[in-house]
Amino acid sequence: AQSVTQLDSQVPVFEEAPVELRCNYSSSVSVYLFWYVQYPNQGLQLLLKYLSGSTLVKGINGFEAEFNKSQTSFHLRKPSVHISDTAEYFCAVSDPGGNEKLTFGTGTRLTIIP
Amino acid sequence: EADIYQTPRYLVIGTGKKITLECSQTMGHDKMYWYQQDPGMELHLIHYSYGVNSTEKGDLSSESTVSRIRTEHFPLTLESARPSHTSQYLCACRAYQETQYFGPGTRLLVL
Repeated sequence: AQSVTQLDSQVPVFEEAPVELRCNYSSSVSVYLFWYVQYPNQGLQLLLKYLSGSTLVKGINGFEAEFNKSQTSFHLRKPSVHISDTAEYFCAVSDPGGNEKLTFGTGTRLTIIP
Repeated sequence: EADIYQTPRYLVIGTGKKITLECSQTMGHDKMYWYQQDPGMELHLIHYSYGVNSTEKGDLSSESTVSRIRTEHFPLTLESARPSHTSQYLCACRAYQETQYFGPGTRLLVL
């Protein structure tokens, strides 16, 4: 079975400051990893994904994440945040060899302080 | 990117009513999913489908049912709504080994 842990339920950050949202996973097999963003009253939008290859993955809106197999982590980073980044961020994992269902973390609410 | 639609976006209904949440996608993706999300919580998979005439229960037990008669359509039905069904319901679709794409969600309130 797979699981995802997002250690921070809420992260307040000043505008233009850097941010890191933490994600750890557990799995007995290789995994695909995803970060999704959910703006208020909307569905989920894919930020970035790791399937294989380079461990540093770049996504939309200036976000990037690094896959660290030894630490089973997939932390999301942005060097300078904007007000428009205020949203809920979900880390998710799927098993590429199975039925490819997504298992989500509990989410991190990112609040940007002007 | 997939175009995936959900209707209604918001629904307030009384206990005991039958409701159907619609989900449609225009990309011809075989796999479709329904997730339930309570406010401030993670998403839980309640149903999924590999294709026409295929439906499976997800990780979270749900009193809802689904059908998949056409590739593009994956409706979710509650025969008798209860306050405990109040939640947000998100539909998603994907092609083989591709990313899951989500609809905008339906917020359901059962009084």
